Amino acid sequence: DAGVIQSPRHEVTEMGQEVTLRCKPISGHNSLFWYRQTMMRGLELLIYFNNNVPIDDSGMPEDRFSAKMPNASFSTLKIQPSEPRDSAVYFCASSFERSSYEQYFGPGTRLTVT
Amino acid sequence: DAKTTQPNSMESNEEEPVHLPCNHSTISGTDYIHWYRQLPSQGPEYVIHGLTSNVNNRMASLAIAEDRKSSTLILHRATLRDAAVYYCILRDLRKAGGTSYGKLTFGQGTILTVHP
Repeated sequence: DAGVIQSPRHEVTEMGQEVTLRCKPISGHNSLFWYRQTMMRGLELLIYFNNNVPIDDSGMPEDRFSAKMPNASFSTLKIQPSEPRDSAVYFCASSFERSSYEQYFGPGTRLTVT
Repeated sequence: DAKTTQPNSMESNEEEPVHLPCNHSTISGTDYIHWYRQLPSQGPEYVIHGLTSNVNNRMASLAIAEDRKSSTLILHRATLRDAAVYYCILRDLRKAGGTSYGKLTFGQGTILTVHP
């Protein structure tokens, strides 16, 4: 298995631009998580999907952030418009909730907003 | 959220055992103790988890105090590849949208340095 796949690995954009991060979870997993990691705040959960449905989005910072999961093999995290304070590493993780306690993390997308 | 307390950093020599402590005095009866680690420039990686009894797997051992208010992750023979940030997390069951799920709340972790 290829593991969790994220793209792009690096993204540099200007303030005000739309940014879309992509994630392909491990096949067969029914849960997907988006996290953000910064030096100041550490690793934070942004949103959790179960069976493609957003279950807990209490960690989404504001309306500029949105996430979708149109099918079991694909999810996006969109920031529109982006701001310099959104600069961080964004991780996607997947798991098979109910039978496994392990979350499998992708390699992350390093976002820089100038 | 139940909180954990870990030392900011620890050092070890290669091929020696490492004991990484974690305090979680406010743990509830249903909280699982999870350990993840994050190698440089990578995403976190699951290491081990337990509830009450000590646990062993190919990566590490987890020793849980009888009162569950503390635990220790044991790396039996540290290698240079074990240099990472180690996170001790209490996985609590959350109810949201009519579903229960295990939420991981990451703290600052312990930076482990392994010397050759």
